[in-house]
Amino acid sequence: DAGVTQSPTHLIKTRGQQVTLRCSPKSGHDTVSWYQQALGQGPQFIFQYYEEEERQRGNFPDRFSGHQFPNYSSELNVNALLLGDSALYLCASSLLGTGVRGYGYTFGSGTRLTVV
Amino acid sequence: KQEVTQIPAALSVPEGENLVLNCSFTDSAIYNLQWFRQDPGKGLTSLLLIQSSQREQTSGRLNASLDKSSGRSTLYIAASQPGDSATYLCAVGGGSYIPTFGRGTSLIVHP
Repeated sequence: DAGVTQSPTHLIKTRGQQVTLRCSPKSGHDTVSWYQQALGQGPQFIFQYYEEEERQRGNFPDRFSGHQFPNYSSELNVNALLLGDSALYLCASSLLGTGVRGYGYTFGSGTRLTVV
Repeated sequence: KQEVTQIPAALSVPEGENLVLNCSFTDSAIYNLQWFRQDPGKGLTSLLLIQSSQREQTSGRLNASLDKSSGRSTLYIAASQPGDSATYLCAVGGGSYIPTFGRGTSLIVHP
Protein backbone atom coordinates (compact mmCIF):
# COMPACT_ATOMS: atom_id res chain seq x y z
CA ASP A 1 0.00 0.00 0.00
CA ALA A 2 1.73 3.14 -1.26
CA GLY A 3 1.93 6.03 1.11
CA VAL A 4 1.95 9.69 0.10
CA THR A 5 4.16 10.39 -2.90
CA GLN A 6 5.60 13.82 -3.65
CA SER A 7 7.56 15.04 -6.65
CA PRO A 8 10.09 16.35 -7.27
CA THR A 9 12.22 15.73 -4.19
CA HIS A 10 14.42 18.76 -4.75
CA LEU A 11 14.01 21.89 -6.83
CA ILE A 12 16.03 25.05 -7.42
CA LYS A 13 14.26 28.09 -8.87
CA THR A 14 15.15 31.70 -9.51
CA ARG A 15 13.36 34.55 -7.78
CA GLY A 16 10.29 35.59 -9.75
CA GLN A 17 9.76 32.21 -11.38
CA GLN A 18 6.79 29.90 -10.91
CA VAL A 19 6.85 26.36 -9.52
CA THR A 20 4.48 23.40 -9.40
CA LEU A 21 4.77 20.66 -6.81
CA ARG A 22 2.84 17.39 -7.00
CA CYS A 23 1.34 14.99 -4.50
CA SER A 24 -0.39 11.63 -4.71
CA PRO A 25 -2.30 10.73 -1.55
CA LYS A 26 -2.27 7.45 0.28
CA SER A 27 -4.62 4.88 -1.18
CA GLY A 28 -8.09 5.30 0.29
CA HIS A 29 -7.57 8.91 1.35
CA ASP A 30 -9.64 11.69 -0.17
CA THR A 31 -8.20 14.86 1.33
CA VAL A 32 -4.87 16.54 0.65
CA SER A 33 -3.28 19.25 2.76
CA TRP A 34 -0.14 21.24 2.00
CA TYR A 35 2.31 22.54 4.56
CA GLN A 36 5.38 24.77 4.38
CA GLN A 37 8.20 24.04 6.79
CA ALA A 38 11.03 26.54 7.11
CA LEU A 39 14.29 25.42 8.65
CA GLY A 40 13.94 24.90 12.39
CA GLN A 41 10.20 25.54 12.38
CA GLY A 42 7.12 23.39 12.62
CA PRO A 43 5.01 22.86 9.48
CA GLN A 44 2.70 25.76 8.63
CA PHE A 45 -0.66 24.99 7.04
CA ILE A 46 -1.11 26.37 3.50
CA PHE A 47 -4.44 24.89 2.37
CA GLN A 48 -6.51 21.74 2.19
CA TYR A 49 -8.35 20.24 -0.77
CA TYR A 50 -11.37 17.97 -0.69
CA GLU A 51 -13.68 17.06 -3.55
CA GLU A 52 -11.51 19.16 -5.87
CA GLU A 53 -12.17 22.33 -3.92
CA GLU A 54 -10.10 24.37 -1.51
CA ARG A 55 -11.70 23.66 1.81
CA GLN A 56 -9.52 25.57 4.23
CA ARG A 57 -6.68 28.03 3.81
CA GLY A 58 -3.94 29.20 6.12
CA ASN A 59 -2.30 32.59 6.24
CA PHE A 60 -0.56 32.47 2.87
CA PRO A 61 -0.79 34.98 0.00
CA ASP A 62 -2.64 34.37 -3.25
CA ARG A 63 0.68 33.55 -4.91
CA PHE A 64 0.09 30.12 -3.42
CA SER A 65 -2.62 28.21 -5.24
CA GLY A 66 -3.56 24.61 -5.68
CA HIS A 67 -5.65 22.06 -7.41
CA GLN A 68 -7.06 18.63 -6.69
CA PHE A 69 -7.83 16.19 -9.46
CA PRO A 70 -10.61 13.58 -9.64
CA ASN A 71 -8.13 10.86 -8.60
CA TYR A 72 -7.45 12.90 -5.41
CA SER A 73 -3.92 13.86 -6.41
CA SER A 74 -3.00 17.49 -5.93
CA GLU A 75 -0.71 20.25 -7.12
CA LEU A 76 0.69 23.23 -5.29
CA ASN A 77 1.60 26.24 -7.43
CA VAL A 78 3.65 29.18 -6.26
CA ASN A 79 3.97 32.25 -8.48
CA ALA A 80 6.48 35.10 -8.35
CA LEU A 81 8.84 33.18 -6.09
CA LEU A 82 10.58 35.02 -3.28
CA LEU A 83 13.75 34.05 -1.45
CA GLY A 84 11.56 33.51 1.62
CA ASP A 85 9.64 30.76 -0.16
CA SER A 86 12.65 28.48 0.25
CA ALA A 87 11.43 25.66 2.47
CA LEU A 88 10.41 22.03 2.67
CA TYR A 89 6.91 21.62 1.26
CA LEU A 90 4.99 18.75 2.76
CA CYS A 91 1.87 17.08 1.49
CA ALA A 92 -0.40 15.19 3.86
CA SER A 93 -3.39 13.05 3.08
CA SER A 94 -6.29 12.02 5.28
CA LEU A 95 -9.80 10.64 5.11
CA LEU A 96 -12.48 13.26 5.44
CA GLY A 97 -15.38 12.04 3.36
CA THR A 98 -16.88 9.74 5.97
CA GLY A 99 -16.73 12.42 8.61
CA VAL A 100 -14.44 10.33 10.76
CA ARG A 101 -12.31 12.72 12.70
CA GLY A 102 -10.23 10.17 14.44
CA TYR A 103 -7.96 9.35 11.56
CA GLY A 104 -4.63 11.06 11.54
CA TYR A 105 -2.59 12.46 8.72
CA THR A 106 -0.07 10.63 6.54
CA PHE A 107 2.77 12.76 5.25
CA GLY A 108 4.97 12.49 2.21
CA SER A 109 8.73 12.96 2.24
CA GLY A 110 8.43 16.52 1.00
CA THR A 111 9.85 18.69 -1.76
CA ARG A 112 12.85 20.82 -0.87
CA LEU A 113 12.47 24.13 -2.74
CA THR A 114 15.40 26.50 -2.92
CA VAL A 115 14.87 29.96 -4.41
CA VAL A 116 18.03 31.76 -5.49
CA LYS B 1 -6.44 30.32 17.51
CA GLN B 2 -4.80 27.11 18.65
CA GLU B 3 -1.19 27.45 19.77
CA VAL B 4 1.05 24.45 20.37
CA THR B 5 4.23 24.61 22.42
CA GLN B 6 6.83 21.91 22.76
CA ILE B 7 9.35 21.76 25.57
CA PRO B 8 12.27 21.31 25.57
CA ALA B 9 13.32 22.66 22.18
CA ALA B 10 16.41 20.48 22.23
CA LEU B 11 17.61 17.53 24.26
CA SER B 12 20.89 15.60 24.31
CA VAL B 13 21.08 12.44 26.39
CA PRO B 14 23.23 9.32 26.72
CA GLU B 15 21.95 6.06 25.35
CA GLY B 16 19.66 4.10 27.67
CA GLU B 17 17.92 7.01 29.35
CA ASN B 18 14.14 7.26 29.63
CA LEU B 19 12.85 10.51 28.14
CA VAL B 20 9.78 12.70 28.41
CA LEU B 21 8.89 15.19 25.69
CA ASN B 22 6.17 17.71 26.40
CA CYS B 23 3.48 19.27 24.25
CA SER B 24 0.97 21.87 25.44
CA PHE B 25 -1.95 23.44 23.59
CA THR B 26 -4.18 26.40 24.34
CA ASP B 27 -7.59 25.21 23.09
CA SER B 28 -8.78 21.99 24.70
CA ALA B 29 -11.53 21.44 22.09
CA ILE B 30 -9.49 18.97 20.06
CA TYR B 31 -10.36 15.82 18.13
CA ASN B 32 -7.03 14.12 18.29
CA LEU B 33 -3.34 14.59 18.89
CA GLN B 34 -0.62 13.03 16.78
CA TRP B 35 3.09 12.63 17.46
CA PHE B 36 5.47 12.58 14.51
CA ARG B 37 9.14 11.92 14.01
CA GLN B 38 11.15 13.87 11.45
CA ASP B 39 14.68 13.01 10.37
CA PRO B 40 16.79 15.90 9.01
CA GLY B 41 15.46 17.17 5.67
CA LYS B 42 12.86 14.42 5.52
CA GLY B 43 9.10 14.12 5.79
CA LEU B 44 7.08 13.25 8.87
CA THR B 45 6.56 9.73 10.15
CA SER B 46 3.54 9.17 12.36
CA LEU B 47 4.38 7.59 15.71
CA LEU B 48 1.18 7.67 17.71
CA LEU B 49 -2.34 9.04 17.29
CA ILE B 50 -4.49 9.67 20.35
CA GLN B 51 -8.22 10.25 19.91
CA SER B 52 -9.78 12.91 22.09
CA SER B 53 -11.63 10.23 24.05
CA GLN B 54 -8.43 8.33 24.86
CA ARG B 55 -5.90 8.92 27.60
CA GLU B 56 -2.86 7.21 26.09
CA GLN B 57 -1.44 5.14 23.28
CA THR B 58 1.55 2.81 23.25
CA SER B 59 3.78 1.49 20.50
CA GLY B 60 6.89 -0.44 21.45
CA ARG B 61 9.14 1.80 23.55
CA LEU B 62 6.87 4.81 22.96
CA ASN B 63 3.97 5.90 25.11
CA ALA B 64 1.94 9.04 24.56
CA SER B 65 -0.57 10.45 27.02
CA LEU B 66 -3.23 13.09 26.60
CA ASP B 67 -4.84 15.34 29.21
CA LYS B 68 -7.35 17.51 27.37
CA SER B 69 -8.49 19.44 30.42
CA SER B 70 -4.99 20.70 31.14
CA GLY B 71 -4.03 21.02 27.47
CA ARG B 72 -1.06 18.69 27.69
CA SER B 73 0.43 15.63 26.06
CA THR B 74 3.64 13.82 26.82
CA LEU B 75 5.67 11.42 24.72
CA TYR B 76 7.63 8.94 26.80
CA ILE B 77 10.57 7.15 25.18
CA ALA B 78 11.92 4.22 27.12
CA ALA B 79 15.55 3.04 26.95
CA SER B 80 16.58 5.58 24.32
CA GLN B 81 18.87 4.52 21.46
CA PRO B 82 21.05 6.52 19.03
CA GLY B 83 18.54 5.63 16.29
CA ASP B 84 15.93 7.66 18.17
CA SER B 85 17.83 10.84 17.30
CA ALA B 86 15.43 13.04 15.32
CA THR B 87 12.99 15.91 15.75
CA TYR B 88 9.71 15.01 17.42
CA LEU B 89 6.65 17.03 16.47
CA CYS B 90 3.30 17.25 18.16
CA ALA B 91 0.22 18.06 16.04
CA VAL B 92 -3.14 18.93 17.57
CA GLY B 93 -6.24 18.22 15.48
CA GLY B 94 -8.98 20.71 16.17
CA GLY B 95 -11.86 22.23 14.28
CA SER B 96 -12.00 21.83 10.50
CA TYR B 97 -9.67 18.83 10.70
CA ILE B 98 -6.60 21.03 10.34
CA PRO B 99 -3.83 19.98 12.69
CA THR B 100 -1.67 22.65 14.29
CA PHE B 101 1.97 21.81 14.84
CA GLY B 102 4.46 22.73 17.50
CA ARG B 103 8.03 23.63 16.57
CA GLY B 104 9.33 20.28 17.72
CA THR B 105 11.89 18.88 20.12
CA SER B 106 15.27 18.06 18.59
CA LEU B 107 16.61 14.91 20.27
CA ILE B 108 20.16 13.60 20.15
CA VAL B 109 20.95 10.28 21.81
CA HIS B 110 24.67 9.68 21.96
CA PRO B 111 26.30 6.27 22.47
